[in-house]
Parts: sequence; structure tokens; C-alpha cells
Amino acid sequence: AQSVTQLDSQVPVFEEAPVELRCNYSSSVSVYLFWYVQYPNQGLQLLLKYLSGSTLVKGINGFEAEFNKSQTSFHLRKPSVHISDTAEYFCAASWGYKLSFGAGTTVTVRA
Amino acid sequence: SAVISQKPSRDICQRGTSLTIQCQVDSQVTMMFWYRQQPGQSLTLIATANQGSEATYESGFVIDKFPISRPNLTFSTLTVSNMSPEDSSIYLCSVAGLGTEAFFGQGTRLTVV
Repeated sequence: AQSVTQLDSQVPVFEEAPVELRCNYSSSVSVYLFWYVQYPNQGLQLLLKYLSGSTLVKGINGFEAEFNKSQTSFHLRKPSVHISDTAEYFCAASWGYKLSFGAGTTVTVRA
Repeated sequence: SAVISQKPSRDICQRGTSLTIQCQVDSQVTMMFWYRQQPGQSLTLIATANQGSEATYESGFVIDKFPISRPNLTFSTLTVSNMSPEDSSIYLCSVAGLGTEAFFGQGTRLTVV
């Protein structure tokens, strides 16, 4: 079965520092990749998506991710985080219509 | 894009009872999906609901426990039957197309006591 693995369950980071959240998936064949963010007690919001084309994808709130086919990775990065970036981040992949989610990474930004 | 409305947004239910969650989409969609997010966990797909056919359930989920209706292309319901405290979760409705992002409702936060 296809799967998504998020390598870090928790990432503490200081304000204005860079952050990278790691995500690997099981197969690069016909894959679509997504990062979602879930703020406390809120629903899921799409940060960015890779469907095809350029491997560097830019999303909302200054986030970007790079699709690496050979390493089957789709890591999320932000050069400078804010307190408001404290949230749960989910990597997801689709090989058709259904989404498979990673376990999530909790990002806690400290002043 | 799609706007998805879920009702109720939250509920507290007695064990042994059932709760039906409604999902309304602002446009016609072929496939709708139901997810469960247990406390502190990621999202797990319960089933795929197609209009005019039986829902397709993922491993570990059965129709008797989570019956689903899909009467038309903009609406679906998920029932959580004979509830126990282990069913306390957030249940989310979603729509997606092939090769496009998924859109989610705000979720239904269920607490079973």
C-alpha cells in the first residue's frame, strides 16, 4: 500500500529561525503531493501542492517545498518562522483520488 | 475550489447511541470522502462515497458501524453507530478530484461519554 512518512513528530523552533519538516512517500509514479496545516481547534488548510512541473513549489505564508523524485521526498521549508506558525503540519500524497496522510509534525515556535 | 459545510460542528453523545453527520458541498462532485482524526493523531480515511452506489470502506471500517448515504452529487451523511468512548474523534468530510487538492469541511468534533 502507498504510504507517507513524516520523519519528525515534533519540531521546536525559535522565532525568526528557519524550519524544515521532512516528508517521504512510497512511490513517485503518478503521485500528487500536498502539505496541509491545522491550527489549534481549526480545520485543515492547504499550504501548497505539487501536481507537475517545477519541482520547487511555493505556497502561502512563505512556505515552500521541493519535490525530489529520486529520494521520494517532499520536504517543507520556511526561512523565518513566526509565532503564528505554531500548528500541526500534515504531508499528504495521492496516487489517484484518495489522500494518504503522514502522522503529522507539531511545530512549536518560541520567542 | 469547493466550500464544504458540516453539521453538527460538535456533539457530546451517550455511549450506545448513534450520531449522523451531514456534509453539504457547494458544487456537484463525483466522489466524497470521510476521514477520522483521533485525538493527537493524523487523518485516516474511513470510506469513499459515490453517488448512486455503495460506499467503499477502508480496512478496519465496516458499514454496520459507519453507514454512509450519498443521495445526490452535493450531499452525504456519515452515521457513527452504537458509539463508545473510542469513537471520540473529529470526523471530516472531503472532496477531491484526480490530481487536484482535497477540500475539507471544518469537521465534527465528537465526544462520547
